[in-house]
Amino acid sequence: KQEVTQIPAALSVPEGENLVLNCSFTDSAIYNLQWFRQDPGKGLTSLLLIQSSQREQTSGRLNASLDKSSGRSTLYIAASQPGDSATYLCAVRGDSSYKLIFGSGTRLLVRP
Amino acid sequence: EAGVAQSPRYKIIEKRQSVAFWCNPISGHATLYWYQQILGQGPKLLIQFQNNGVVDDSQLPKDRFSAERLKGVDSTLKIQPAKLEDSAVYLCASSFLAGGISGANVLTFGAGSRLTVL
Repeated sequence: KQEVTQIPAALSVPEGENLVLNCSFTDSAIYNLQWFRQDPGKGLTSLLLIQSSQREQTSGRLNASLDKSSGRSTLYIAASQPGDSATYLCAVRGDSSYKLIFGSGTRLLVRP
Repeated sequence: EAGVAQSPRYKIIEKRQSVAFWCNPISGHATLYWYQQILGQGPKLLIQFQNNGVVDDSQLPKDRFSAERLKGVDSTLKIQPAKLEDSAVYLCASSFLAGGISGANVLTFGAGSRLTVL
């Protein structure tokens, strides 16, 4: 059974700092991995999707990496801004099932 | 492009009462998902529809939860009778396909319906 873990559960950093969010999964037989952002009272917004054959994806100040063999992904946020404050969730989609399994998220606060 | 619409945004009921949530996916999206997100946890898939057929409902508590997607467009999720542990945000999402082309299986989520059971 696939389990997804995100560490840390919460993170507070000063504005301008580069930071890394971690995601680990127990079953390496995945189809893809996605990173989402969730703002309070709102739905999830897809940030980056990495296919199992890819190593990383970049969008603006965001870079997501995937190491399928070790069951790990990281989301790197460069030059953080207060507007980046949100909960970041990773989710994996299995090879045999198209079901998305989510981690419990990392709550990020970027202090001005 | 209009997003995924959900209603109501908030609902407070007493235990043993019933409640229904409605979702209108993005036009043309064949796949529709209902997720339950309990405070402090990640979303958990309750049911997945492909057009108007059920693909996966393995985590739907079928003794109290039901969902339908008539005509392969709008969907309704019902809880009857509600329990205290059903307090959560119910998220609806849709995608063009369930799998395949990477861009086509990116999910678009609605804002969610927050349920409080007293």
